[in-house]
Amino acid sequence: QKEVEQNSGPLSVPEGAIASLNCTYSDRGSQSFFWYRQYSGKSPELIMSIYSNGDKEDGRFTAQLNKASQYVSLLIRDSQPSDSATYLCADERVSGAGSYQLTFGKGTKLSVIP
Amino acid sequence: DAEITQSPRHKITETGRQVTLACHQTWNHNNMFWYRQDLGHGLRLIHYSYGVQDTNKGEVSDGYSVSRSNTEDLPLTLESAASSQTSVYFCASSDGLFGSATSEQFFGPGTRLTVL
Repeated sequence: QKEVEQNSGPLSVPEGAIASLNCTYSDRGSQSFFWYRQYSGKSPELIMSIYSNGDKEDGRFTAQLNKASQYVSLLIRDSQPSDSATYLCADERVSGAGSYQLTFGKGTKLSVIP
Repeated sequence: DAEITQSPRHKITETGRQVTLACHQTWNHNNMFWYRQDLGHGLRLIHYSYGVQDTNKGEVSDGYSVSRSNTEDLPLTLESAASSQTSVYFCASSDGLFGSATSEQFFGPGTRLTVL
C-alpha cells in the first residue's frame, strides 16, 4: 500500500509566525499534489495544488514540491488564529484500473496561538 | 452558484438496515467520489464514478454500493449497515475526462452516520 505520510501534530505556532507543514509520499508515479484545509466538523477545502518541482505561492500560502525526495510542504506566512485547522496532504496517482485517484494523508492539526 | 449537497446531514440507523446517502452536484462534473473519514484513518475512498453508468471500487468498498444514472447524482448505499460503518461520509466531485487526471476535487458538507 503506497502511503502519504504526515505528522499528526498538533503543531502550535504563535500568531504572525510561519507554520510549516510537511508531507512525504511513497508512490514515485504520483504527479500532482494537493493541500486541503479542514475545520473541525466541516468538509475539506482545497487551498493549494502543485504539479511541478519548486515553489508555488498564493497569498500567504506557499507549496513546495521535491519529487526526487518525494516531499511536499505547505508554508503559511503570518499565521492567523483563523488558520487553526487540520491540513490534509493528498497525491494523485494512477490506480490499478488505470484511472486517477487521490490518496490522502491523515492530516496535521495546526493551532495558531494569539 | 454551483454546489455539491449531501443528505441527510445526520443519520442514526440500526445494524442490518439498508441505508442510502444522497449526493447531488450542480457543477456538471464528470467525476464523483465517496469517502469516509474516521479518526486515525483519514479520508479513505469507497467508490467513484467517472461518468454516467460508470462505477469503480475504492480502497474500502466492502458493504457499499453506488450507481450513476445521471451526471448530477451518486447515491451511496449501505446494503446491511454494520457498527463498523459508523463514520462521516463525504461526497466529492471534479472535472476532467473519463480516466484522466482528477484535478481538483470539491467536497460536499458531509453526512454523519451512526449505526447502533
